[in-house]
Amino acid sequence: KNEVEQSPQNLTAQEGEFITINCSYSVGISALHWLQQHPGGGIVSLFMLSSGKKKHGRLIATINIQEKHSSLHITASHPRDSAVYICAVSPNFGNEKLTFGTGTRLTIIP
Amino acid sequence: NAGVTQTPKFQVLKTGQSMTLQCAQDMNHEYMSWYRQDPGMGLRLIHYSVGAGITDQGEVPNGYNVSRSTTEDFPLRLLSAAPSQTSVYFCASSYSNWPGGYTFGSGTRLTVV
Repeated sequence: KNEVEQSPQNLTAQEGEFITINCSYSVGISALHWLQQHPGGGIVSLFMLSSGKKKHGRLIATINIQEKHSSLHITASHPRDSAVYICAVSPNFGNEKLTFGTGTRLTIIP
Repeated sequence: NAGVTQTPKFQVLKTGQSMTLQCAQDMNHEYMSWYRQDPGMGLRLIHYSVGAGITDQGEVPNGYNVSRSTTEDFPLRLLSAAPSQTSVYFCASSYSNWPGGYTFGSGTRLTVV
C-alpha cells in the first residue's frame, strides 16, 4: 500500500463545477503539500498545510490530522484549471524530502 | 530571483554514456532533492541533501551519484546510463525552517537509447 493515496485518478467536469480531490496518507507527517503540474510543464506548489484550512483564490485545501486525510477543492472550475494535481507529504519532524501520491488528472470541459 | 534552475531541459543518451544534470538555486535553501517522474508511478526520491557536504539516498538511488559542495548547487550524475533511467527528472529546494515550502525546477526529460 502506498504511503500517499489520491482519488480519483482521473476527473472530468464541466466548466463551473465544484471540484474535490482527495488525499490519504498512512505515515506521520510534518506537512502536506498540494502541487499542480500542467501538461509538459513544471511543478508549482499550491499549498503547504499542517492543520485546518487554507484558501487562495478559487482553491481551498483542508487537512484532518486525526483522519490522515486532506482535500483540495476548486470552486467555479475553469478550463485553465485542467492539470495534474499532486499530493505530497513531508516526513515527521522534517522537511528535507517529499513522498508523493500518483496524482489526479483534472480536465475541465468548456 | 531565478528560483531553481535545471539544465538541460532535454537530453538523449546512449546506453553506457555518462552525464550530469545540473541544478542550481538562488534562494539560500538548505534542503535540495532530486526526483524522477515516471508514468503511473508519481515522483520518487533519488537523493537529497540537508546542507553543503551532506547527502543521503532516497527511494531509488541506484545508478545515480550526487554531491553538494555549495549551498546553491546540487548536480545529479548518471555514471553509466541505462534505458531504465529514461524519465523526467525534477530538482527541488526548500528551507529547513518552518514553513518550508518547496520550489521545483522545470524538469529535465532524459531518454536513454
